[in-house]
Amino acid sequence: AQSVTQLGSHVSVSEGALVLLRCNYSSSVPPYLFWYVQYPNQGLQLLLKYTSAATLVKGINGFEAEFKKSETSFHLTKPSAHMSDAAEYFCAVSDPGDSNYQLIWGAGTKLIIKP
Amino acid sequence: ETGVTQSPTHLIKTRGQQVTLRCSSQSGHNTVSWYQQALGQGPQFIFQYYREEENGRGNFPPRFSGLQFPNYSSELNVNALELDDSALYLCASSLLRGYMNTEAFFGQGTRLTVV
Repeated sequence: AQSVTQLGSHVSVSEGALVLLRCNYSSSVPPYLFWYVQYPNQGLQLLLKYTSAATLVKGINGFEAEFKKSETSFHLTKPSAHMSDAAEYFCAVSDPGDSNYQLIWGAGTKLIIKP
Repeated sequence: ETGVTQSPTHLIKTRGQQVTLRCSSQSGHNTVSWYQQALGQGPQFIFQYYREEENGRGNFPPRFSGLQFPNYSSELNVNALELDDSALYLCASSLLRGYMNTEAFFGQGTRLTVV
């Protein structure tokens, strides 16, 4: 079964530093890949998605992610962290082999920004 | 703004009661999915509705049921509420094309507390 692994339940970076949030998936067939952000007590907002076009995907708020098939990874990056980036980030995949058509989610990474 | 709206935003129920949560999907989308997100965890897929029929279900008991209406809005019903049902319930709408779901757009969620 497809699975998504997000390395690190909490990631802490200083304001202005590079943000790197890791996501690996298990499918042998490249799925659709997504990153979502969730602010406290709110729903999930789509940051960016990969749907088999360009492997480097740019999203909102200065975030981008690179699909690497050889590493089955889809890590999220931002060159310079801002205090407003503090939130929880979820990686999700849509697996073409899944008859439920569901999104499969990682456990989430809470991003902490230090002043 | 995603266009997905959920009601109510907060709800307190007593163990054993029944609850109905509502979701209005984004214009142009044909699929509604429901997720349960317990505190500090990622979303867990409950089920998905496409063309008014359930077309995918996660590991939730039958007391979790749903409906999708011709206008693609949806309801989640939970019978015989248990304390562990306390969570944020998220509705997401998407466009199902072939065997792949496009990105899901989420509502702000309904916070259910069972006492």
